[in-house]
Amino acid sequence: EVQLVESGGDLVQPGGSLRLSCVVSGFTINTNYMSWVRQAPGKGLDWVSVIFIGGSIYYADSVKGRFSISRDSSKNTLYLQMNSLRAEDTAVYYCARVLFTSGRLGFDHWGQGTLVAVSS
Amino acid sequence: DIQLTQSPSFLSASVGDRVTITCRASEGISNYLAWYQQKPGKAPKLLIYGASTLQSGVPSRFSGSGSGTEFTLTISSLQPEDFATYYCQQVDVYRALTFGGGTKVEIK
Repeated sequence: EVQLVESGGDLVQPGGSLRLSCVVSGFTINTNYMSWVRQAPGKGLDWVSVIFIGGSIYYADSVKGRFSISRDSSKNTLYLQMNSLRAEDTAVYYCARVLFTSGRLGFDHWGQGTLVAVSS
Repeated sequence: DIQLTQSPSFLSASVGDRVTITCRASEGISNYLAWYQQKPGKAPKLLIYGASTLQSGVPSRFSGSGSGTEFTLTISSLQPEDFATYYCQQVDVYRALTFGGGTKVEIK
């Protein structure tokens, strides 16, 4: 059974840092594209970052230079290091597996999410 | 970045209705579009990818169409469990993987 379990969400002050983890079971993360998506309270989905099988990484402009995605294949875990946090980063953060087949792509497995609140 | 505009942002419908949601891209994205369903307090669920390919396990009343800049998600006969918010997402991996603003489907 495929499972993605996020952790690490917390209340943090503006300018602070946090590292989110996503422990995966049921598939191997280094043979899949993986992504982070967030959702501010009462708002829509907001794509954050993606890491490809070969290691290429892309970020949304809103987090570029502040957030860093990485993976540890030995732990089958995806990470999101978040620095210089702002109030507008407050959201539930989801990790997701990226289905990539015949050139078509979609996020087919999601975790339950972890809440990050940025406030003084 | 490519902007995705969904319409309507809200719709009220009855069980059994045919429902169509539109997603327009600010520039052409071929068939690099996915659709998701999200219920309150839950993670999104993939419905359609490649603009028209039904994800495994998704009921056949859901269908997707379109290419380029205009796409539609159709629910042929709305069921009680379909009341949710629906999102489109552009999935060209060489561009930001942006989502549309969402369409909330509520019971009339």
